[in-house]
Amino acid sequence: TQLLEQSPQFLSIQEGENLTVYCNSSSVFSSLQWYRQEPGEGPVLLVTVVTGGEVKKLKRLTFQFGDARKDSSLHITAAQPGDTGLYLCAGATAGGTSYGKLTFGQGTILTVHP
Amino acid sequence: NAGVTQTPKFQVLKTGQSMTLQCAQDMNHEYMSWYRQDPGMGLRLIHYSVGAGITDQGEVPNGYNVSRSTTEDFPLRLLSAAPSQTSVYFCASSYSGGSVDTQYFGPGTRLTVL
Repeated sequence: TQLLEQSPQFLSIQEGENLTVYCNSSSVFSSLQWYRQEPGEGPVLLVTVVTGGEVKKLKRLTFQFGDARKDSSLHITAAQPGDTGLYLCAGATAGGTSYGKLTFGQGTILTVHP
Repeated sequence: NAGVTQTPKFQVLKTGQSMTLQCAQDMNHEYMSWYRQDPGMGLRLIHYSVGAGITDQGEVPNGYNVSRSTTEDFPLRLLSAAPSQTSVYFCASSYSGGSVDTQYFGPGTRLTVL
């Protein structure tokens, strides 16, 4: 069974601070996805990274896929209260397509205080 | 498009009862999956399907059955509910858009087994 270790599990910061969430594994993933989940709702895809060393930016969010495709990070610059939520990383192993099979990390609960 | 819909939203069962969680998508997606979400454990894959008539087990399949008679529907059956099956259940669908797929999650079913 492939595992994704996500850290930290909880993060409580003030508005305007920067933060980084890590997702690590001993296994190689063909692609890695980051999701954000609001209470009472399903996860919503933020980004998919495919190539080792790839960096993608989504406004104040920066996602990086490790060179060996075993780890990934999510960096948020100048966090805002609207960033509050559960962040999940998920890896796919069947080529580039997951066929609906994803391995998820435990999640990071982010709270941004005004 | 309604996307991925799940019913019911909430359900309380007694130990030993059976029930079916419904999932439907109107996006003509090939792949559909069922996950359960428990605190501190992220999402774990129960069963998945790569097309009508084709299903396979995920990480935690025991106690659950699935079938996929149509592209649109992917019901999850609990044969004899146990307290350990108390969880939030998410259905997801995806398609292979090039080298990677995009997952769409339903709003979830919150199940309590007494």
